Amino acid sequence: DVKVTQSSRYLVKRTGEKVFLECVQDMDHENMFWYRQDPGLGLRLIYFSYDVKMKEKGDIPEGYSVSREKKERFSLILESASTNQTSMYLCASSSRLAGVETQYFGPGTRLLVL
Amino acid sequence: AQSVAQPEDQVNVAEGNPLTVKCTYSVSGNPYLFWYVQYPNRGLQFLLKYITGDNLVKGSYGFEAEFNKSQTSFHLKKPSALVSDSALYFCAVRDMGPGSSNTGKLIFGQGTTLQVKP
Repeated sequence: DVKVTQSSRYLVKRTGEKVFLECVQDMDHENMFWYRQDPGLGLRLIYFSYDVKMKEKGDIPEGYSVSREKKERFSLILESASTNQTSMYLCASSSRLAGVETQYFGPGTRLLVL
Repeated sequence: AQSVAQPEDQVNVAEGNPLTVKCTYSVSGNPYLFWYVQYPNRGLQFLLKYITGDNLVKGSYGFEAEFNKSQTSFHLKKPSALVSDSALYFCAVRDMGPGSSNTGKLIFGQGTTLQVKP
């Protein structure tokens, strides 16, 4: 089974703090994604990566950055957390080699910025 | 523009009755379609997908989905609902836009909450 893990289930941070969210997958997937989920807005793509050291902006990249130094790990960074970044953050991965890229999700990190 | 629409925010059904969660899409070319389920405070779990072939796709937990090209729909169905099916359901389509061929990007609908009452 594909396993995608996220470093924290719940996180409370203060405005202005630098926040790191870590995601690790154990299936050698090329593609990795970061989404945020807000009620009524569904999933919105923040950033994605299709290879090590490669990154592409998604639909809402402002206020975020990412890092992919190793194939299995994709980090989301909030450079200076703000209250409007309070949300559920979901990481996902998929394999191009499997043909059609079913995405597999981690359990999510619920972030509260005070 | 490519998009996915889930026209119902919430669907209510009695346990034992059939359920349908609706999804329509708009993409260029042949669509790759997915359904995911999310239980409270959990990540999304893959249910099923349509790539090609038989229009009726069977997936996990007794769910199935019917691809209808003429109506550009991919509705999720189950013959007999269980209380444990209560969750948030997302429909998604593979992004076929320029430059997306190797990225595996999906476009998600806004989600439909399914409430199954005993």
